[in-house]
Amino acid sequence: NAGVTQTPKFQVLKTGQSMTLQCAQDMNHEYMSWYRQDPGMGLRLIHYSVGAGITDQGEVPNGYNVSRSTTEDFPLRLLSAAPSQTSVYFCASSYRDTSYEQYFGPGTRLTVT
Amino acid sequence: AQRVTQPEKLLSVFKGAPVELKCNYSYSGSPELFWYVQYSRQRLQLLLRHISRESIKGFTADLNKGETSFHLKKPFAQEEDSAMYYCAVSFGNEKLTFGTGTRLTIIP
Repeated sequence: NAGVTQTPKFQVLKTGQSMTLQCAQDMNHEYMSWYRQDPGMGLRLIHYSVGAGITDQGEVPNGYNVSRSTTEDFPLRLLSAAPSQTSVYFCASSYRDTSYEQYFGPGTRLTVT
Repeated sequence: AQRVTQPEKLLSVFKGAPVELKCNYSYSGSPELFWYVQYSRQRLQLLLRHISRESIKGFTADLNKGETSFHLKKPFAQEEDSAMYYCAVSFGNEKLTFGTGTRLTIIP
């Protein structure tokens, strides 16, 4: 199993550009989520999904869109990049049970200039 | 409001000394509590969860409902324990809320 994969690993965008961060998992996990990691802020939940076709907002959803058309994939779209979105983005997945043992991807380091 | 607080951003401990990383939460219900760890150049991974009451790599964490705390402890620190540690709490709403993290450095 590859686990949770994310592409790209690094990305530089100009303000106003859009892009999609890809996330895929091969563990048949129902639950998938996106976090951003910023110094001194820890990990903050952007969006999450409890299954295909179902998504919901986390703590910091503004400026981001998600969709979940399949169990495996959960892409994160930046609609119009802003410098405040410079961060490291982590995708995670888990079974939808009370343990919530989340498996994390390697992260995408995004810089918006 | 439901919050997770890790009061120490940085913690330095000598090798062989005891380690305690603090985590407090604000919630009147029964949360699910976890400690995650991120070693240098590795992915964030689950270290332990309170429901299993296990010891992983010598670390333990006890839920204190009265103090709403879930501190992570290890009696004798090792150099390989140097990492970023995150306390995480599920408040029963399908979301996992992370603390701001504590960077632990073990001094040889």
